[in-house]
Amino acid sequence: EVQLLESGGGLVQPGGSLRLSCVDSGFTFSSYVMAWVRQAPGKGLEWVSSITSGGDYTFYPDSVKGRFTVSRDNSQNTLYLQLSSLRAEDTATYYCARRGVGVAFDYWGPGALVTVSS
Amino acid sequence: EIVLTQSPATLSLSPGERATLSCRASQSVGSQLIWYQQKPGQAPRLLIYDASTRATGIPARFSGSGSGTDFTLTIGGLEPEDFATYYCQQRLRWPITFGGGTKVEIK
Repeated sequence: EVQLLESGGGLVQPGGSLRLSCVDSGFTFSSYVMAWVRQAPGKGLEWVSSITSGGDYTFYPDSVKGRFTVSRDNSQNTLYLQLSSLRAEDTATYYCARRGVGVAFDYWGPGALVTVSS
Repeated sequence: EIVLTQSPATLSLSPGERATLSCRASQSVGSQLIWYQQKPGQAPRLLIYDASTRATGIPARFSGSGSGTDFTLTIGGLEPEDFATYYCQQRLRWPITFGGGTKVEIK
């Protein structure tokens, strides 16, 4: 059974940093593009990063480019998202997702809540 | 950036009724359009990819259609578990973008 589980969320002050992890099981992690998608409270979905299967290429929207860094450890089946220079508008539930069938996000974790507040 | 506009924002229907949800793209995305369902407190669930292909385990009452800039998700006969928020997403160009969502609520 495919499972993705995020951890590392919490309360952080504006300007601070945080690292999210997503441990995956039930599939060959190293074969898949992985991504992070976030959702602010009561709002819609926003893609925040993708990383190729080998970790060679990463992609970000302008809203987080230069502040967020996605990485992966294929030996540990783990995806990471380093969040830096955090702002109040980065407050959201962060989901990790597998890019699978149809080049769509076919499996998602339950999410990790990041709250940026003083 | 490709902007996806979903309408209506809210759809109030009764169980058994047919739901028709729209997603319009600011430029052509071909058939590279995806639909997700999300219930409160849960992660999104993949419903439809490539505009019209149902994902594994998705009931046949869910169907997607369209190409280019205009897409439709139809739920043919709402079941109680279908009341949720639905999002479209394009995968043609970076950045990946989502529509703002349509909430299907019980009338």
